[in-house]
Amino acid sequence: GAGVSQSPRYKVAKRGQDVALRCDPISGHVSLFWYQQALGQGPEFLTYFQNEAQLDKSGLPSDRFFAERPEGSVSTLKIQRTQQEDSAVYLCASSSQNSWTNEKLFFGSGTQLSVL
Amino acid sequence: KNEVEQSPQNLTAQEGEFITINCSYSVGISALHWLQQHPGGGIVSLFMLSSGKKKHGRLIATINIQEKHSSLHITASHPRDSAVYICAVNSGNTPLVFGKGTRLSVIA
Repeated sequence: GAGVSQSPRYKVAKRGQDVALRCDPISGHVSLFWYQQALGQGPEFLTYFQNEAQLDKSGLPSDRFFAERPEGSVSTLKIQRTQQEDSAVYLCASSSQNSWTNEKLFFGSGTQLSVL
Repeated sequence: KNEVEQSPQNLTAQEGEFITINCSYSVGISALHWLQQHPGGGIVSLFMLSSGKKKHGRLIATINIQEKHSSLHITASHPRDSAVYICAVNSGNTPLVFGKGTRLSVIA
């Protein structure tokens, strides 16, 4: 596609429910990042993939959060047993460069998760 | 962890005004990014800087490595510039650390 695509755009979950958020990066992009953005705050790093390898998952807030990118393209962020504090916008970004310092990062529009 | 502070938090300007948004950080960096976020979440990368100054259209970004400070300037501001402007920094092989953003409203 022309840009980074995230789905669903909005997700409402009941507390305790599992959710899966999808990111389709730009075709051929090596690096893929997930961020969490709470209301009124800047994005916070969750995890980084270089192709299918998850190089850093230090930002995942708990073991309820899991991310994968099995074929080095589409990535899924899964949150198990959702809690109200998980409510946020989840942003995905990709880059053609295989480094932490990327000249050009392309962001998706995010998935807004609301946990009731 | 690097601490990134932006000022002002909110800014309202009249169309045509020259705008400055500031960003300071606490630890030496390898690169600084300026990003634009429109309502609905979409983020666009504007600049990446490691030294000096960059210009793109009406946008100018400068960085002073010694003072750990960067500014984003918008000349001849227009209502379509209304957005949240976010500063983010890299320190070597570490994740981007983002500021909280500056909400800009340009009134016609």
